[in-house]
Amino acid sequence: GAVVSQHPSWVICKSGTSVKIECRSLDFQATTMFWYRQFPKQSLMLMATSNEGSKATYEQGVEKDKFLINHASLTLSTLTVTSAHPEDSSFYICSARDTGTYNEQFFGPGTRLTVL
Amino acid sequence: GQSLEQPSEVTAVEGAIVQINCTYQTSGFYGLSWYQQHDGGAPTFLSYNALDGLEETGRFSSFLSRSDSYGYLLLQELQMKDSASYFCAVRGPYGGATNKLIFGTGTLLAVQP
Repeated sequence: GAVVSQHPSWVICKSGTSVKIECRSLDFQATTMFWYRQFPKQSLMLMATSNEGSKATYEQGVEKDKFLINHASLTLSTLTVTSAHPEDSSFYICSARDTGTYNEQFFGPGTRLTVL
Repeated sequence: GQSLEQPSEVTAVEGAIVQINCTYQTSGFYGLSWYQQHDGGAPTFLSYNALDGLEETGRFSSFLSRSDSYGYLLLQELQMKDSASYFCAVRGPYGGATNKLIFGTGTLLAVQP
């Protein structure tokens, strides 16, 4: 099946620093990737849709200047949390859409971000 | 707005059958998906219904009624490893983008021996 990886799996940073999270589709090309955020014991909340070669589309209420998304190739999308603060601590999950599998989304293992 | 409601928790014993319901109210609809997520892990795809009726995949089955905006996931022959959170998700065109997923509130399934 389609495999999506994320790196790093966890990261701890100081308040005010920026953190970059990578999402890769390993065995398929993904023109569209999605970024989600999940707080403990809550559902996944879609943050933005990342399209290869174009600007990301952000969901209502998500600050595009704080959560920078770049989708420079068909297998890589990055999410940069800029000037992170403790309230940004969360589980960030990406998914990639595989057009060869009925447009199903395959999820990465997630990145746990802790901001001190 | 978009909303998908699920029971927050369900408890069942090994070998039993359990049904997890999902009612949705969304502006777009291409289909209803189900995902399993173990604590701290990635959601894994279980099933997808685009049309009304029952889809069966091994021990898991999923049902959809578009006229009722309702679906359910049926898990048979429960095993301890089925203890996890289960999410329904509506796939649809939202805000001009296709194939976005809006996730339900999630159901925590606890399987007891």
